[in-house]
Amino acid sequence: GAVVSQHPSRVICKSGTSVKIECRSLDFQATTMFWYRQFPKKSLMLMATSNEGSKATYEQGVEKDKFLINHASLTLSTLTVTSAHPEDSSFYICSAPRPSSYEQYFGPGTRLTVT
Amino acid sequence: AQSVTQLGSHVSVSEGALVLLRCNYSSSVPPYLFWYVQYPNQGLQLLLKYTSAATLVKGINGFEAEFKKSETSFHLTKPSAHMSDAAEYFCAVTKSNTGNQFYFGTGTSLTVIP
Repeated sequence: GAVVSQHPSRVICKSGTSVKIECRSLDFQATTMFWYRQFPKKSLMLMATSNEGSKATYEQGVEKDKFLINHASLTLSTLTVTSAHPEDSSFYICSAPRPSSYEQYFGPGTRLTVT
Repeated sequence: AQSVTQLGSHVSVSEGALVLLRCNYSSSVPPYLFWYVQYPNQGLQLLLKYTSAATLVKGINGFEAEFKKSETSFHLTKPSAHMSDAAEYFCAVTKSNTGNQFYFGTGTSLTVIP
């Protein structure tokens, strides 16, 4: 079964509004989680590393004020897209490292459409 | 720095034919390498992984990949393609066993022709 969940799986919002996406690790703790963005027919682009109890680390070119990341607990990281615009429409995927392992568990993704 | 290159953004094979998806990596340290499959509007599913043990790695759904250090390659193969294999395939590398981020290739879209 799934070990990393994302909610919602799909969301449609209007321009200018904010939307929150949750990433949860199930049955294991994750001090670090990763957020990716995937454009249609493109690869996954790492956006940021979410760190429990401290600030997220953003990749170059990713606006930290636009993509707010909060890792409030050992099983939950949230990505909030603030003041969304149509160009923010994308598939967002999170991942969490399997404990004591090099493997990553990936969430099922969230399809965001901004109208 | 770590990176992977996938040659061929689109590959078409006939049903029953050999599948070969190419992946070359660059890494400053011994890498951990992975192949993932993604079906439309779904997340990533792990096919197989190389973890510095056996160089020929067998995965799910009949796929396998061989790590060749001399060629810095980790190509994915399957002897006989099925229609259900049509999907997007990603090669990925990570540099450590401490849960560091993955670096993905650009992906290869596999089409299986009946």
